[in-house]
Amino acid sequence: GEDVEQSLFLSVREGDSSVINCTYTDSSSTYLYWYKQEPGAGLQLLTYIFSNMDMKQDQRLTVLLNKKDKHLSLRIADTQTGDSAIYFCAELANAGKSTFGDGTTLTVKP
Amino acid sequence: NAGVTQTPKFRVLKTGQSMTLLCAQDMNHEYMYWYRQDPGMGLRLIHYSVGEGTTAKGEVPDGYNVSRLKKQNFLLGLESAAPSQTSVYFCASRLGVTEAFFGQGTRLTVV
Repeated sequence: GEDVEQSLFLSVREGDSSVINCTYTDSSSTYLYWYKQEPGAGLQLLTYIFSNMDMKQDQRLTVLLNKKDKHLSLRIADTQTGDSAIYFCAELANAGKSTFGDGTTLTVKP
Repeated sequence: NAGVTQTPKFRVLKTGQSMTLLCAQDMNHEYMYWYRQDPGMGLRLIHYSVGEGTTAKGEVPDGYNVSRLKKQNFLLGLESAAPSQTSVYFCASRLGVTEAFFGQGTRLTVV
């Protein structure tokens, strides 16, 4: 989307860490999200972070938020082949509008 | 608990035809959204609604209309379909700031 940008592709080897980056423009964003989409399926929420937080960790997932630079990242530790999917960054603004990035296709090589 | 249900799942339209996509949710969610997903362009917000009787424009609203007459339903209409509207359409709903639940998508082809 126009307001949320991501790099389109990332390729890593199994067992390595993956870092997917996202930038957003809406300063009124209250919550930021990471979704995962597997082929032919809808989107599923992975994790989310409130805009007054810097970091959130959930098992293999670590989300970092730099509010000043409007930069969000998702780190996946010990990446597995089952993590291969498209990952979307999304924001929720005060008025309820929710926009998504273009998605980053993560390919995990054995 | 069906979650978010979209109908139909597939449709082929001729240019100029009209159709309505239905999104139904049974979770009593206030917010509902319609997105389109095109290769390399991610999800783009078409229209959204923050409650029954309300609608608002998203990033790409032209050529589409929506209605939210009942809280559980969000309808997306194409009055005169164009090939540029060939896409996969996703509906989503959420309760406040929590997770957005997505339907399985509607694959629309306009020939």
